[in-house]
Amino acid sequence: EIVLTQSPGTLPLSPGERATLSCRASQSVSSSYLAWYQQKPGQAPRLLIYGASSRATGIPDRFSGSGSGTDFTLTISRLEPEDFAVYYCQQYGSSPITFGQGTRLEIK
Amino acid sequence: EVQLLESGGGLVQPGGSLRLSCAASRFTFSSYAMTWVRQAPGKGLEWVSGISGGGGSSYYADSVKGRFTISRDNSKNTLFLQMNSLRAEDTAVYYCAKQANWGWPDYFDNWGQGTLVTVSS
Repeated sequence: EIVLTQSPGTLPLSPGERATLSCRASQSVSSSYLAWYQQKPGQAPRLLIYGASSRATGIPDRFSGSGSGTDFTLTISRLEPEDFAVYYCQQYGSSPITFGQGTRLEIK
Repeated sequence: EVQLLESGGGLVQPGGSLRLSCAASRFTFSSYAMTWVRQAPGKGLEWVSGISGGGGSSYYADSVKGRFTISRDNSKNTLFLQMNSLRAEDTAVYYCAKQANWGWPDYFDNWGQGTLVTVSS
């Protein structure tokens, strides 16, 4: 099983700042099969990024994903108030599917 | 717009059973693998089970293998999760999610709003 470790656990930033979230895998993720989701309180997760760097439909271009192998990054170029949420990475390169434990992006 | 509506959650005693349903609409249900993901209160996401588009292949997390059974009725566009021998640690919001493609495994491009399962005496 591939274990995904996200860092930091909590990231306090201000609107307008740049956010960099990390997801590290315990072994190489096949074909960069890594996705990122955003979850707000009381809501279902929403797909942001798949294939490590492809934005899902309707996702603003301030969200970008990068990385390969065992190290992946989600970057939000300029934070908007609605971006403060919890973010999860997920690998789907091998079974079982696994998620990281999440990074909480909070307003400083 | 894809719609996924879960139902069937509730309070059940340890050792009991529950059957969750997920009614899907506005996409060709049989063309996509489907999955269940759960989230314990205040915790992260945990993949539970998945099933291929045709229903011929199913997959389970070790934590539920032998206790949960996933199935689907493509004629009724509905996904199911039969949960037996429930434990306190199964308490969670259960989300139904559509996979982006037919194959397994994959990422999830649409999610339902979830149904809460509480296992307690």
